[in-house]
Amino acid sequence: QKEVEQDPGPLSVPEGAIVSLNCTYSNSAFQYFMWYRQYSRKGPELLMYTYSSGNKEDGRFTAQVDKSSKYISLFIRDSQPSDSATYLCAMIRGSNSGYALNFGKGTSLLVTP
Amino acid sequence: DTAVSQTPKYLVTQMGNDKSIKCEQNLGHDTMYWYKQDSKKFLKIMFSYNNKELIINETVPNRFSPKSPDKAHLNLHINSLELGDSAVYFCASSRKQGGGTDTQYFGPGTRLTVL
Repeated sequence: QKEVEQDPGPLSVPEGAIVSLNCTYSNSAFQYFMWYRQYSRKGPELLMYTYSSGNKEDGRFTAQVDKSSKYISLFIRDSQPSDSATYLCAMIRGSNSGYALNFGKGTSLLVTP
Repeated sequence: DTAVSQTPKYLVTQMGNDKSIKCEQNLGHDTMYWYKQDSKKFLKIMFSYNNKELIINETVPNRFSPKSPDKAHLNLHINSLELGDSAVYFCASSRKQGGGTDTQYFGPGTRLTVL
């Protein structure tokens, strides 16, 4: 079992819909949780990060972490065609040897006009 | 004024060849990384350097050798290329060692195809 699980989709929604993207994880050592967005043929870019359980909002995006269930979510309100991309959840486990992002497989999202 | 740049963008080569991918960051960051994204889009850490010192070395064949001539550059040399090495390789950098809120910035990727 991979440390971070994410449904690869694809997910297709009409413009204006609310999108829910999710990841589960198995390693309790993960402390920080991120969502990256990756457009086709581009590098990932950080969208949001959270530390503790709870919600964090940034414009149309809300990140949610439930450490007790080892479950994180990203909600996109009023989705736009420009939101069409692959969304990767990522987590960091601390260690003395440095920090590396552990990624989910990514969910491919298509928002149709 | 690209923050993290990689060359080449595309690399097509024969099995058995040796090739290098270069990465440079102009953000003044201390830490740089190499990630591999396979055909199923799974992105996995390979190496990390902090101030030219290797700090993460995941289970990667020793045909892969990173080299950091200075903290702004991290190159990846691959010997005896195999079909399974075909992937997109991403370089990234972060201000410190990437923990917590220390954002990792990714380059545009190098798409390697081994024939």
